[in-house]
Amino acid sequence: QKEVEQNSGPLSVPEGAIASLNCTYSDRGSQSFFWYRQYSGKSPELIMSIYSNGDKEDGRFTAQLNKASQYVSLLIRDSQPSDSATYLCAVISNTGNQFYFGTGTSLTVIP
Amino acid sequence: DGGITQSPKYLFRKEGQNVTLSCEQNLNHDAMYWYRQDPGQGLRLIYYSQIVNDFQKGDIAEGYSVSREKKESFPLTVTSAQKNPTAFYLCASSRAGEITDTQYFGPGTRLTVL
Repeated sequence: QKEVEQNSGPLSVPEGAIASLNCTYSDRGSQSFFWYRQYSGKSPELIMSIYSNGDKEDGRFTAQLNKASQYVSLLIRDSQPSDSATYLCAVISNTGNQFYFGTGTSLTVIP
Repeated sequence: DGGITQSPKYLFRKEGQNVTLSCEQNLNHDAMYWYRQDPGQGLRLIYYSQIVNDFQKGDIAEGYSVSREKKESFPLTVTSAQKNPTAFYLCASSRAGEITDTQYFGPGTRLTVL
């Protein structure tokens, strides 16, 4: 079983819609969770971090964490074509020494 | 400006050659990391270092070597023992020591074996 699992997609949504990206993780003791956005040919850039159960909002982005279900998600409201990218979920292991990255979900926002 | 720089942006290697990828950061971060990314795949950890003069192997260290002589610098050497080195190489850094530490990435080096 992989440490972090994501649906690879591709996920397509129309402009203005809500995009929902999901991630599950295997280490129940994990405490830190991150979403990165990666444009084609570029390096990952941090979008959101979340550490507590519940929702965390930043502009059009909302991260949701449910530790009991070992599930973290990213919602993008009012999706824009510029949001088209691959979104990587990352989890810090319980030891705190290593990030585990999912393989990413490819999102396309259709104008 | 604080950040992470990687050079070169593109690198071409002949079979049997060793090449060294540069990574420098001025964020005063203690920890530095090297990842490899292949098309359609996630990031795989090659090596990481939490303090100067110390580093640990990641999941795919075979065929690679690193050094950490300075806090700011963490060069990666891709040796001829690495049989399939063509990939996108990403360097990252974090403060280290904190369970919540975020990793920040450099722009990457794309290595192609000719």
